[in-house]
Amino acid sequence: DAKTTQPPSMDCAEGRAANLPCNHSTISGNEYVYWYRQIHSQGPQYIIHGLKNNETNEMASLIITEDRKSSTLILPHATLRDTAVYYCIVRVAFGNNRKLIWGLGTSLAVNP
Amino acid sequence: NAGVTQTPKFRILKIGQSMTLQCAQDMNHNYMYWYRQDPGMGLKLIYYSVGAGITDKGEVPNGYNVSRSTTEDFPLRLELAAPSQTSVYFCASGTGERSPLHFGNGTRLTVT
Repeated sequence: DAKTTQPPSMDCAEGRAANLPCNHSTISGNEYVYWYRQIHSQGPQYIIHGLKNNETNEMASLIITEDRKSSTLILPHATLRDTAVYYCIVRVAFGNNRKLIWGLGTSLAVNP
Repeated sequence: NAGVTQTPKFRILKIGQSMTLQCAQDMNHNYMYWYRQDPGMGLKLIYYSVGAGITDKGEVPNGYNVSRSTTEDFPLRLELAAPSQTSVYFCASGTGERSPLHFGNGTRLTVT
């Protein structure tokens, strides 16, 4: 599975959109992009995933570039409770969770 | 649903002691996983199970054992605890080998 690169930390003002970038320049055509987050002292929480089309759910939006070499997770109206470490992971479509590579993620601080 | 429940939340062990970390899920998920997370590091897979009676090693299985006698429970056994096993342990479950993971809130273990 391809590796990902994320900035170690970011800040965002409460109520504004938080845009978290992820670089996955070696991604293959059959690899999905997954996003999880980990709020302090809790287990990771699944947010969203996508292959090539943009995706949106009740938590966030995922924008994947046309060449699929990078993506952005968007939290449209960040709240203090969104302060967490955000992990971007790629996974082969026919691979499995056993092969996931968990990096260090981006530590997002939402400020009042 | 309670989701994935881990007990205990915290534990301190002396070197050479043994203990069992409990994990239970009430979502009828076949797939279950044990991860460890060391400070400043990503998650590492210890063991996983694809169903009752079936377990297999992950990336870092040495010093641990697991069993899966029921769909609900997936305990992790530490024999002869060592300081290198000081970590936060997370249990996760999923409906399939490629489905999003549901995590428990972890067990923080210190071996001194």
